[in-house]
Amino acid sequence: QLQLQESGPGLVKPSETLSLTCTVSGGSIRRSSYFWGWIRQPPGKGLEWIGSISYSGSTYYNPSLKSRVTISVDTSKNQFSLNLRSVTAADTAVYYCARRPDIGAWFDPWGQGTLVTVSS
Amino acid sequence: DIQMTQSPSSLSASVGDRVTITCQASQDISKYLNWYQQKPGKAPKLLIYDASNLETGVPSRFSGSGSGTDFTFTISGLQPEDIATYYCQQFDDPSLTFGGGTKVDIK
Repeated sequence: QLQLQESGPGLVKPSETLSLTCTVSGGSIRRSSYFWGWIRQPPGKGLEWIGSISYSGSTYYNPSLKSRVTISVDTSKNQFSLNLRSVTAADTAVYYCARRPDIGAWFDPWGQGTLVTVSS
Repeated sequence: DIQMTQSPSSLSASVGDRVTITCQASQDISKYLNWYQQKPGKAPKLLIYDASNLETGVPSRFSGSGSGTDFTFTISGLQPEDIATYYCQQFDDPSLTFGGGTKVDIK
């Protein structure tokens, strides 16, 4: 059974870079039939897609975040990562990683999520 | 960018009631509309994909319909364990957006 697990600092200072990693277990990230994505949810608010990456490294970003986001994949470690630059308090959120099939546009499964707080 | 209008934002219903949530897209998205259930402190869970397909293992009281710009999600008989927030999500290659969510609780 495929499982995803987010990891990274829970506290980031304003103007710095938020970096998270998603480790995939129970299956290979190299499978060409999937994309791997990041979604976030500010406390008490709705869901926002950040971006997605294929196993080969093709990336797709939310236009509203594109200038600050980089998503990368490390197939040797079965991981993919998120970097969000120049963060502000508005970037405080639970960050989820998830898998998306290339034949569709739904996310399943999801990681449990990790709360990142932006504060000095 | 395609905007998703989900309504209502919240509702209260009795156990056994039929519950309906709608999502409207600002442009034609064909069948590319998915529905998720999120319980407090948990990750969203996929219920319905491509507008009307029930994800494996999801109870049959959940259903979805629609195409183009107008979509409906239905719980045919609300159960106490269905208390959650429900989100629609659209796909307009390569972007995705979520609706604002509908919080469902028991009256």
